[in-house]
Amino acid sequence: SYALTQPPSVSVAPGKTARITCGGNNIGSKSVHWYQQKPGQAPVLLVYDNTDRPSGIPERFSGSNSGNTATLTITRVEAGDEADYYCQVWDFSSDHFVFGTGTDVTVL
Amino acid sequence: QVELVESGGGVVQPGRSLRLSCAASGFTFSSYALHWVRQAPDKGLEWVAVVSYDGSNKFYADSVKGRFTISSDNSKNTLFLHMNRLRPEDTAVYFCARNGALNYMDVWGKGTTVTVSS
Repeated sequence: SYALTQPPSVSVAPGKTARITCGGNNIGSKSVHWYQQKPGQAPVLLVYDNTDRPSGIPERFSGSNSGNTATLTITRVEAGDEADYYCQVWDFSSDHFVFGTGTDVTVL
Repeated sequence: QVELVESGGGVVQPGRSLRLSCAASGFTFSSYALHWVRQAPDKGLEWVAVVSYDGSNKFYADSVKGRFTISSDNSKNTLFLHMNRLRPEDTAVYFCARNGALNYMDVWGKGTTVTVSS
């Protein structure tokens, strides 16, 4: 079955840039989506179809996808960005939806 | 506004059954596929099941296939998850979510908690 691997944690200073990777076999051929989840809350869609943002999501959040790695980039990081972040794809070969292992972002 | 509200969670013994509900409002329920996603305590998100907009196609994670059944009632704008032969490892917060055009999940409920324990 298709698997997505993320680093367990990323630490970043306020105002700096955080990059969260999502690794998967030939993930560049898939449409990757990203979610933010704060403690005790439901996930929120941050980026869809690799690079697009839903209305209301700041431009500080952006995505890219190529080869075997997709990346979520958060620029000008703020304290409020502390959360867990998940990537997700649809694996058409199995009709399964797959989430990444999740990354805990800490703002120093 | 667009909203999903889950209910039906609780404490249940291993081997027993439980039915979760997800009430939708603010959008045309019959036009969207809908998911169940769960999150075990201090763990990541795990996709559970999806039902197509018309209920004709249903897909399940391997961990629940044969035990869980997803269904929807378009007349009541409600999604269901029938969970049979529950195991302790099914303990989780269960979220329902709306499927977007490119198979992302654009609207989520707040979740309902299921605890499987003797």
